[in-house]
Amino acid sequence: KAGVTQTPRYLIKTRGQQVTLSCSPISGHRSVSWYQQTPGQGLQFLFEYFSETQRNKGNFPGRFSGRQFSNSRSEMNVSTLELGDSALYLCASALSGVHNEQFFGPGTRLTVL
Amino acid sequence: GQQVMQIPQYQHVQEGEDFTTYCNSSTTLSNIQWYKQRPGGHPVFLIQLVKSGEVKKQKRLTFQFGEAKKNSSLHITATQTTDVGTYFCAGYILTGGGNKLTFGTGTQLKVEL
Repeated sequence: KAGVTQTPRYLIKTRGQQVTLSCSPISGHRSVSWYQQTPGQGLQFLFEYFSETQRNKGNFPGRFSGRQFSNSRSEMNVSTLELGDSALYLCASALSGVHNEQFFGPGTRLTVL
Repeated sequence: GQQVMQIPQYQHVQEGEDFTTYCNSSTTLSNIQWYKQRPGGHPVFLIQLVKSGEVKKQKRLTFQFGEAKKNSSLHITATQTTDVGTYFCAGYILTGGGNKLTFGTGTQLKVEL
């Protein structure tokens, strides 16, 4: 079965712009979580969506938002980009999310100039 | 701030030596998961421990969950070059934003021939 896919794989933006990242979970998985990975802060949880509803949220500013569609595909959006938003953004899907193993996608490498 | 810490941050071993990484949480975890991330890759699920004092083995890897469910360890016997990567523990912590999977700071393992 196909794994988690993320698009685009690489992105370069400038400060102040906004960006939308996309994630397609494994077929049948209803939970999608997003993480930010940086060398300094490690893997930080952004939010989790289940059945089109945000179920859990991390400690990120409101510039970071997301949504999930009826086919479980998810998007995350970052507005008014800052240099510190440069990171690898990872999406992970799970069957139901609660205490299930997470299947990670390859990530989107975002560089903000 | 980070509620799940791992030590050591880095470990450099000769092939054939053993390796252990320790994971400590400031709060009780309902379960603990372990992931491995190869250089340039994404985290891949290794195992989940649920019961207090639980020990699980996968070939050369031994995973333990502490009696108080606040700490865990991963031990690799006779490391090989294929073990290179960063090992993360992750546990579910109940916060104001819900029940979120919190990743540890990670231990980067390098194996020399």
